[in-house]
Amino acid sequence: DIQMTQSPSSVSASIGDRVTITCRASQAIGSWLAWYQQKPGRAPTLLIHTSSSLQSGVPSRFSGSGSGTEFTLTISGLQAEDFSIYYCQQSNSFPWTFGQGTKVEI
Amino acid sequence: QVYLHESGPGLVKSSEALSLICSVSGASIKADDYYWSWIRQSPGKGLEWIGYIHYSGDTYYTPSLKSQVSMSLDTSNNCFSLELNSVTAADTAVYFCVRDFRDEGGNSVGLDVWGQGTFVSVSS
Repeated sequence: DIQMTQSPSSVSASIGDRVTITCRASQAIGSWLAWYQQKPGRAPTLLIHTSSSLQSGVPSRFSGSGSGTEFTLTISGLQAEDFSIYYCQQSNSFPWTFGQGTKVEI
Repeated sequence: QVYLHESGPGLVKSSEALSLICSVSGASIKADDYYWSWIRQSPGKGLEWIGYIHYSGDTYYTPSLKSQVSMSLDTSNNCFSLELNSVTAADTAVYFCVRDFRDEGGNSVGLDVWGQGTFVSVSS
């Protein structure tokens, strides 16, 4: 299985900050990387697919980049509703696997 | 708008089978572009993808659960189901049904619709 490792595990930030989360794959996965946001007690929601494509309806302050084994999710201008847990997920090879999550908190 | 909704018992006895149904509205489970997945989340193991089923009959189950898992489609009721046999406490988790949208090449472009999730506890 491909192991996905996120860093940091948690980050403290303020409204308006720029936040960057890194996801590393244990082997090359091309651009088959998605990012999800999960709020407490809710299901994850898709933010970005194929490394950098913004899912319909997701605010443009979210952006993704990377290929191969290293990827980043950037939130430019953190809003109150962005305090959540973020997960990366690879879909290059089965089984699909997720990172352990990064908690963005105040 | 597409909605997925999981249903099933919230408590299952150890060594018995866990059965969940996912009802789909706003999309047909017979669509070629959609693969229907189950994912679970437990505090100890994070998000774990269990596998998928497609209308064509194509299925994939994650190797660690392959001997326990079975998925099926009910096209008459536009729903799909998960059966997990011989459960243990390690199978206690929130179970999500999820739509996996694939492009023309069969590549996943994201798990784009999730059910709200249903918590299943395995008791001894």
